[in-house]
Amino acid sequence: DTEVTQTPKHLVMGMTNKKSLKCEQHMGHRAMYWYKQKAKKPPELMFVYSYEKLSINESVPSRFSPECPNSSLLNLHLHALQPEDSALYLCASSQAPTGAPYEQYFGPGTRLTVT
Amino acid sequence: ELKVEQNPLFLSMQEGKNYTIYCNYSTTSDRLYWYRQDPGKSLESLFVLLSNGAVKQEGRLMASLDTKARLSTLHITAAVHDLSATYFCAVGRLRGSQGNLIFGKGTKLSVKP
Repeated sequence: DTEVTQTPKHLVMGMTNKKSLKCEQHMGHRAMYWYKQKAKKPPELMFVYSYEKLSINESVPSRFSPECPNSSLLNLHLHALQPEDSALYLCASSQAPTGAPYEQYFGPGTRLTVT
Repeated sequence: ELKVEQNPLFLSMQEGKNYTIYCNYSTTSDRLYWYRQDPGKSLESLFVLLSNGAVKQEGRLMASLDTKARLSTLHITAAVHDLSATYFCAVGRLRGSQGNLIFGKGTKLSVKP
C-alpha cells in the first residue's frame, strides 16, 4: 500500500472558523510533512514530523497548528485564517527521515478556500 | 542555501518532437527526484536518482543525474498529449539529521497535436 490519504478534499471556511485537515498513511513511514501549494507554484514546506516529533517548522504562522497523534496520522489545525491562506495543502510521508532525504509520497491534497 | 533552478518554466511542444528539461542545483546532493503534477491534482513520483550517472527510463521519459555538474535532465522522446502536465525536480538535502526536499519552480509542459 503506497497510498497517502487526506480528508477533506475540499474545505471552505470563514476567517473565524476552526477546522482540521487530516492525513493518514499505512506504509510504516516515520516522517510526515505538510506542504502548502499556491496556483502555478511549487510546494512550500510547512512542517516536518520525524518519529512523531516536530522537527521542522518553516516559520509558519501560529494560526496553523500541526499534530501527529501517532505514526500513521498527521493533522493540521486551522484557526483564524486569512484569505491569502487559500491554497492546496499537501501531506506527504517518507521512510525514516534521519540521515538521508528519502522519496516522499504525496496525498491527493485538500483544496482550502478561506472566505 | 540550496537553490534549485529548472528551465524552461514553460514548454509548448508538438506531438512527436523531442525536448529536454533541465534542473540545476547549487550545493552538493546525490539524491534527486522528478515529480509530475496534473492540474488540480497531487504530485506523482516519476523518477528517483540516487547516484552520479544514474539514468532511469519510463516510457517516453528518461531522467539522468550528473552530481559533479549539479545537473539533472528529463528528456522527452516523441511527445504525446498525455504528457501535458507540470514537472518538478526536487533535490534532497539534510538539515541537521532531518532529510527534506527542495523543489524547483516546475516546468509546465503543453503538448499540442
